[in-house]
Amino acid sequence: GQSLEQPSEVTAVEGAIVQINCTYQTSGFYGLSWYQQHDGGAPTFLSYNALDGLEETGRFSSFLSRSDSYGYLLLQELQMKDSASYFCAVRVDTGGFKTIFGAGTRLFVKA
Amino acid sequence: NAGVTQTPKFQVLKTGQSMTLQCAQDMNHNSMYWYRQDPGMGLRLIYYSASEGTTDKGEVPNGYNVSRLNKREFSLRLESAAPSQTSVYFCASSEVKGTYSGNTIYFGEGSWLTVV
Repeated sequence: GQSLEQPSEVTAVEGAIVQINCTYQTSGFYGLSWYQQHDGGAPTFLSYNALDGLEETGRFSSFLSRSDSYGYLLLQELQMKDSASYFCAVRVDTGGFKTIFGAGTRLFVKA
Repeated sequence: NAGVTQTPKFQVLKTGQSMTLQCAQDMNHNSMYWYRQDPGMGLRLIYYSASEGTTDKGEVPNGYNVSRLNKREFSLRLESAAPSQTSVYFCASSEVKGTYSGNTIYFGEGSWLTVV
């Protein structure tokens, strides 16, 4: 089976940097994605890592270590609008490609 | 472009009733998915379809059936609704560009289903 673990909640102040970790146990692993979801809304794609290393997209960066089955999402210069849930998700091939999501991390940004 | 459109947005069902959630995408994607989201449990994959004419079970398929009607449409059916199926349902689609390019998943706005 597939399992992903990420913290349930993280709190940070506006302007700070926060890191959301994700560890996974999967078979047929191809890559790790991150999605953002605001209350009442649909998840939206943030990033994807298939290879080890850091991917940067504006204020957001994502890291993957395949050997450690570990990744993280780094959010810099936090803004109030970043308050949302963040999901890590693994793309796996178990006889067909599919994407499995973690339970999500609720980020609270305080003024 | 509308992206992924799903209907209905809200529905209340009585236990034992049946219903179908409709989903359509206009991005010409091969892959389509149905997820359910419950508080504190993230998104759980119910069924997915890698291409027109194929469907596969996800993590929580029991109590559901799906139909990939054509490349655009992927419906989810609850044959006999149960209170445990009260949830928010998301339809989604993606196009696989390559192993290292990943597959950005585009979600519909969600369908809030309550079974009483």
